[in-house]
Amino acid sequence: NAGVTQTPKFQVLKTGQSMTLQCAQDMNHEYMSWYRQDPGMGLRLIHYSVGAGITDQGEVPNGYNVSRSTTEDFPLRLLSAAPSQTSVYFCASSPDPDYEQYFGPGTRLTVT
Amino acid sequence: DAKTTQPNSMESNEEEPVHLPCNHSTISGTDYIHWYRQLPSQGPEYVIHGLTSNVNNRMASLAIAEDRKSSTLILHRATLRDAAVYYCILRANDMRFGAGTRLTVKP
Repeated sequence: NAGVTQTPKFQVLKTGQSMTLQCAQDMNHEYMSWYRQDPGMGLRLIHYSVGAGITDQGEVPNGYNVSRSTTEDFPLRLLSAAPSQTSVYFCASSPDPDYEQYFGPGTRLTVT
Repeated sequence: DAKTTQPNSMESNEEEPVHLPCNHSTISGTDYIHWYRQLPSQGPEYVIHGLTSNVNNRMASLAIAEDRKSSTLILHRATLRDAAVYYCILRANDMRFGAGTRLTVKP
């Protein structure tokens, strides 16, 4: 199993550009989530999904969209990048929210 | 939302036990207590979780107070590789990470 994979590893965007961060897992987990981590801070939940076709907002959803058309993939879309979205983004998956979550290696995003 | 309180930082000597405390006085009856750690430049890594009873695994032990308003993560013999930020998190339909406790292990 590859576990949770994220692409790209690094990305630089200009203000106003849009992009999609990819997240995939091969463990058949129903629960997937996206977090952002600003320098020196803890992780903050952006969006999560409890299964294909079902998504919900977390703590900091503004400026981000998600969809979940398959169990394996959970992409995160930045609609119009802003410097405040400069952060490291982590994707995670779990068979259930009360179980162990597996985190991806992260995507480091810089918005100039 | 149920919240957790942890000390900002702790120090330990190598090969000594470490007790990392967490207060969660507003925990609800169905909230699991999870612990994760994050090594520098890596994603968080699961350590242990429990609901009411104390739990042990190969990495650590979790001691949960009888009233569930606090818990303690126990690393039995700290190594240099255990230096990380440790997060205590409650499951409340979504996981909220606080600032965690930065553990420094001295040789």
